[in-house]
Amino acid sequence: DTAVSQTPKYLVTQMGNDKSIKCEQNLGHDTMYWYKQDSKKFLKIMFSYNNKELIINETVPNRFSPKSPDKAHLNLHINSLELGDSAVYFCASSQEGSGTGPFSYEQYFGPGTRLTVT
Amino acid sequence: DAKTTQPPSMDCAEGRAANLPCNHSTISGNEYVYWYRQIHSQGPQYIIHGLKNNETNEMASLIITEDRKSSTLILPHATLRDTAVYYCIVRGVGNFNKFYFGSGTKLNVKP
Repeated sequence: DTAVSQTPKYLVTQMGNDKSIKCEQNLGHDTMYWYKQDSKKFLKIMFSYNNKELIINETVPNRFSPKSPDKAHLNLHINSLELGDSAVYFCASSQEGSGTGPFSYEQYFGPGTRLTVT
Repeated sequence: DAKTTQPPSMDCAEGRAANLPCNHSTISGNEYVYWYRQIHSQGPQYIIHGLKNNETNEMASLIITEDRKSSTLILPHATLRDTAVYYCIVRGVGNFNKFYFGSGTKLNVKP
């Protein structure tokens, strides 16, 4: 039973293309995230959604558009891909609020999607 | 953005305890210390977290100094599979606070 899953695992595409990465969690969490890990291995948060509402939007180009059709899914669509978008993208989820606490706020990460733009 | 400092790398012999230090001198009263690790290029994995008391679970122990300005993650009997980058993160509780991952410590467990 995979807690947080992402598809595809690998994505190779050319500059200028549009692509999507999908994420699903079966943990019943109310909050989902997208992180980007670049070639220097720095892991940086991009977006966060809570109950389908955008709550964190770091300084990310508007070519990146997250979409959350329901609490269990958070997809990442990228328009006009650039070479600098090449990275590993991780999805994560956590329980941030609602229901009875206390909450530990730990985040569960997916296996990552390695995006290579040529 | 990361509020922690960690040594870039450490070595540990297999079977020995691995003690990974972290400085978080600007931590505030409502902020927890979290530890995650990332094995090769897998997704980060939660290890443990604490506020001010020492904590232990099946993976590790977390020792937080009394002034809370530093902490140590202890892997009691390191194995080769514990080779990973270990991240120490400070995060306030409450809704939607962010995890800022720093550069972490690369732990090399050697046979």
